[in-house]
Amino acid sequence: DAKTTQPPSMDCAEGRAANLPCNHSTISGNEYVYWYRQIHSQGPQYIIHGLKNNETNEMASLIITEDRKSSTLILPHATLRDTAVYYCIVSGHSGTYKYIFGTGTRLKVLA
Amino acid sequence: DAGVTQSPTHLIKTRGQQVTLRCSPKSGHDTVSWYQQALGQGPQFIFQYYEEEERQRGNFPDRFSGHQFPNYSSELNVNALLLGDSALYLCASSSWTGSEAFFGQGTRLTVV
Repeated sequence: DAKTTQPPSMDCAEGRAANLPCNHSTISGNEYVYWYRQIHSQGPQYIIHGLKNNETNEMASLIITEDRKSSTLILPHATLRDTAVYYCIVSGHSGTYKYIFGTGTRLKVLA
Repeated sequence: DAGVTQSPTHLIKTRGQQVTLRCSPKSGHDTVSWYQQALGQGPQFIFQYYEEEERQRGNFPDRFSGHQFPNYSSELNVNALLLGDSALYLCASSSWTGSEAFFGQGTRLTVV
């Protein structure tokens, strides 16, 4: 079973920030939070990952709560091309770990 | 950097046949994992290869087998195809010592 819980769907107005929540209350100390997105049956695209500190890259920001039981992916200025299914995954960082996907959040960016 | 490449992109097979899917990992990666994604669902882990050995396996029958070559590329074989094997098959590559995984665009398998 997936170790994460996400809302099934969300809408966001184009140009506004999209905030996608994820609960991972059973996360272990050595597990990272990863975010991927999948656009219409293409392969999942890596977005960002973090352990306990907030992270930012050219695509998004990742905010992890202090107790690490939840996180939020922030797309600062959503565009129509950000419409996709977003997956939050909890996993170790070395090769001995595998990804367990849940059903993700279907984000629809509205014009 | 070509990223993770998979071939073929689409495939149609008849029930009972066998199929082989191929994956070339991202440059610098030595670990390959395979996933099956049925329509409307998240990807499901099939197995993982490192140093030409299967290291982990998900809940898939023995009809699903794989191989990794010395150049780190990998194959997924499925024997005795069932209609339920119709899915998008995804390959992901990573570094065994630690990295995020990068996925290919997948192979869409249709079993008729």
